[in-house]
Amino acid sequence: EPEVTQTPSHQVTQMGQEVILRCVPISNHLYFYWYRQILGQKVEFLVSFYNNEISEKSEIFDDQFSVERPDGSNFTLKIRSTKLEDSAMYFCASSPPRERYTGELFFGEGSRLTVL
Amino acid sequence: GDSVTQMEGPVTLSEEAFLTINCTYTATGYPSLFWYVQYPGEGLQLLLKATKADDKGSNKGFEATYRKETTSFHLEKGSVQVSDSAVYFCALEMNRDDKIIFGKGTRLHILP
Repeated sequence: EPEVTQTPSHQVTQMGQEVILRCVPISNHLYFYWYRQILGQKVEFLVSFYNNEISEKSEIFDDQFSVERPDGSNFTLKIRSTKLEDSAMYFCASSPPRERYTGELFFGEGSRLTVL
Repeated sequence: GDSVTQMEGPVTLSEEAFLTINCTYTATGYPSLFWYVQYPGEGLQLLLKATKADDKGSNKGFEATYRKETTSFHLEKGSVQVSDSAVYFCALEMNRDDKIIFGKGTRLHILP
């Protein structure tokens, strides 16, 4: 069964360093998302991406964040200069074209980011 | 803004016990409602959904009914199993082109 895969599963970095989290969505999906969950808090929407551009982003998604789909298969989230408060589990998700959309997002296992 | 509130965990039950995980929502319109589940080492996956008032979503013995009058979507199961141990997330979506909004998640432990 097709699945969303994320790498790395866990990354530890120093404050101020750049981090890239990678995701391979399901191959025939067209909508891509990043969510994050700080320990003990809600799963928060960060950004959605369609047709090679951001379709919606939250207040959390400031200039330190960027997303890219560099090669038609990977979907990346970059944090330019990490802060302690960026420590969280980051989830990638994808969904099919709207004519086949049933309200379900397909999630990866998550990438845990720890900023020291 | 639109939001979801679910009961704090962890919830610990014995096998075959009855389960209820409460979820209430705040929304300006009439959202679709979901329960997602995350088993250990896996991503979130859709468990069930309901798209309009009084609809009942069901899957794997779990049920939830969309109650507009109480703005609730409580998850229930009559007899839980050890394999149901997971984190359960209540969520809403205002329309097909909108983002899905999640709650904090409720960790469920089932003891044999």
